Amino acid sequence: DAGVIQSPRHEVTEMGQEVTLRCKPISGHNSLFWYRQTMMRGLELLIYFNNNVPIDDSGMPEDRFSAKMPNASFSTLKIQPSEPRDSAVYFCASSLGPRAGGGGQETQYFGPGTRLLVL
Amino acid sequence: EDQVTQSPEALRLQEGESSSLNCSYTVSGLRGLFWYRQDPGKGPEFLFTLYSAGEEKEKERLKATLTKKESFLHITAPKPEDSATYLCAVDGGSQGNLIFGKGTKLSVKP
Repeated sequence: DAGVIQSPRHEVTEMGQEVTLRCKPISGHNSLFWYRQTMMRGLELLIYFNNNVPIDDSGMPEDRFSAKMPNASFSTLKIQPSEPRDSAVYFCASSLGPRAGGGGQETQYFGPGTRLLVL
Repeated sequence: EDQVTQSPEALRLQEGESSSLNCSYTVSGLRGLFWYRQDPGKGPEFLFTLYSAGEEKEKERLKATLTKKESFLHITAPKPEDSATYLCAVDGGSQGNLIFGKGTKLSVKP
């Protein structure tokens, strides 16, 4: 299995530009997660999809951020307009979905991340 | 508020010197505790899941244990290739919401 695939791996852009990050989850996984990692705040969940439907977007910082999952094998995270404080590593993760009976989630597997720098 | 605290922030060991990493958590209802390893420039790599107090999991030189308030990651006779940041996360709140600690950066010197 190729694991979770993210693109691009690195992105450098100027403030005000639109940025689109892409993710292909592991085949057969029903849940997809977008995280942001910074030195100050660590790993934070931005949004969670189950069966292509957004379930929890409470971590999305503001209206400049949007995420879509048009099908089971593709998701995008868009920042428009980008700002320097958006500079971080963005990870996509996927899992088999909610655990049957016990509550919670099956194990999440992470992609290699996209390192974003907004100048 | 759900919280996860890892200690120490950084740990330097000599090869072969065993030690433990700590993950303390406060959640309303624990649905799972996860340990991940993260190498520089890479995504977190799954190590273990623990679901109930008293549970233990082992993999090579690593052993994870769980109590009602904390988890330990024991490293026995570590090697330089064990150097990485170890992340702890709990699933205890909103559906799908993993809460991560800041991690422990482990360095093992030969």
